[in-house]
Amino acid sequence: QVQLVQSGAEVKKPGASVKVSCKASGYTFTSYDINWVRQATGQGLEWMGWMNPNSGNTGYAQKFQGRVTMTRNTSISTAYMELSSLRSEDTAVYYCARGMRGVAGTIDYWGQGTLVTVSS
Amino acid sequence: QSALTQPASVSGSPGQSITISCTGTSSDVGGYNYVSWYQQHPGKAPKLMIYEVSNRPSGVPDRFSGSKSGNTASLTISGLQAEDEADYYCSSYTSSSTQFGGGTKLTVL
Repeated sequence: QVQLVQSGAEVKKPGASVKVSCKASGYTFTSYDINWVRQATGQGLEWMGWMNPNSGNTGYAQKFQGRVTMTRNTSISTAYMELSSLRSEDTAVYYCARGMRGVAGTIDYWGQGTLVTVSS
Repeated sequence: QSALTQPASVSGSPGQSITISCTGTSSDVGGYNYVSWYQQHPGKAPKLMIYEVSNRPSGVPDRFSGSKSGNTASLTISGLQAEDEADYYCSSYTSSSTQFGGGTKLTVL
């Protein structure tokens, strides 16, 4: 079965960076895009960007351009999302999510989420 | 980019039907048939319920249906059940990115 298992919760200070990992199993990692979506407490879903694990090509939401980097290690079927220059407003649960093949903008499987807390 | 517009809350009694709207523009909802709907229970990850406007993934009950007219998509849940109480989000593809709605809290009375 498809599984996306994310790294554990993080606490960071303002100005620092955080790197969240997402290990995929149950399917061919390089055949499906990986998206990253975040959700602040009590708020809605916010799409951050996508990555093609085969080519490494990425696309980021305008809001995060210059602050987010999505990478992968195909040998261990793991995707990464690094967010820099953290501020308190970045406190949220971050999800990795698999893009549905052939259906643009659609997510069919989600990771369990990683809570990132930004606090001094 | 502004989120797609959804009502903050809707409610219905068991057995009734409800509809949640999702309004965008011709650049997103109206321009593509890549509208999807997600269900999210508290503390859980979202779950795909509808994709490509009206298609249901395997395992999703046929009580859930989707449609679109112009720049507005809709999710209808018929025969409401207690376990349908959750937050629902629409999303749409839009020129190399994805836009989510603000979310709708469904209460089953």
